[in-house]
Amino acid sequence: AQSVSQHNHHVILSEAASLELGCNYSYGGTVNLFWYVQYPGQHLQLLLKYFSGDPLVKGIKGFEAEFIKSKFSFNLRKPSVQWSDTAEYFCAVNAGGNNRLAFGKGNQVVVIP
Amino acid sequence: DAGITQSPRHKVTETGTPVTLRCHQTENHRYMYWYRQDPGHGLRLIHYSYGVKDTDKGEVSDGYSVSRSKTEDFLLTLESATSSQTSVYFCAISESTSGGWDTQYFGPGTRLTVL
Repeated sequence: AQSVSQHNHHVILSEAASLELGCNYSYGGTVNLFWYVQYPGQHLQLLLKYFSGDPLVKGIKGFEAEFIKSKFSFNLRKPSVQWSDTAEYFCAVNAGGNNRLAFGKGNQVVVIP
Repeated sequence: DAGITQSPRHKVTETGTPVTLRCHQTENHRYMYWYRQDPGHGLRLIHYSYGVKDTDKGEVSDGYSVSRSKTEDFLLTLESATSSQTSVYFCAISESTSGGWDTQYFGPGTRLTVL
């Protein structure tokens, strides 16, 4: 079964700092990759996704992620965070076209004004 | 936002009682999913459906059953609720495309407390 690892489950940083969240998965075949964000008290919203093509994917709100196949990674980045980026971030992987997603355990990010 | 509603949004119940949660979509998507979200565990798949009356188990299906009699509705039933089923439950939908399988979109969630 596919698994997804997210490290540094709790991240605290100041506004304007750069953010990078790691995501690694364990599946050697074709994958579809996602980052979702969950703002406090809300449902999951799609930040960005990678299906094929350019491995550097740009999403909403200034976020981007890079797919590195050799490292089985899909790390999320934002050059300069804002207080409104305080949220939980989830990496998710669909492997082998099985219509199911495997989620990481999430990164709780707190941005201090 | 995708047209997904969940009902009820909040529920408190007692151990041993049956509970049914409803997910309703207006997108006519083929696939529907039920997840539970717990601190430190992320989202875990309970059951999913790939069409009317077609369902399959996820990774945490014990104690849960589902039904899908119409494209737009996917019901999750806890036959006899236990305190370990206290959680936030999210429904999701997705559609298949010519290229395969597409993004999942999530509903607003149901917070269930079992006393």
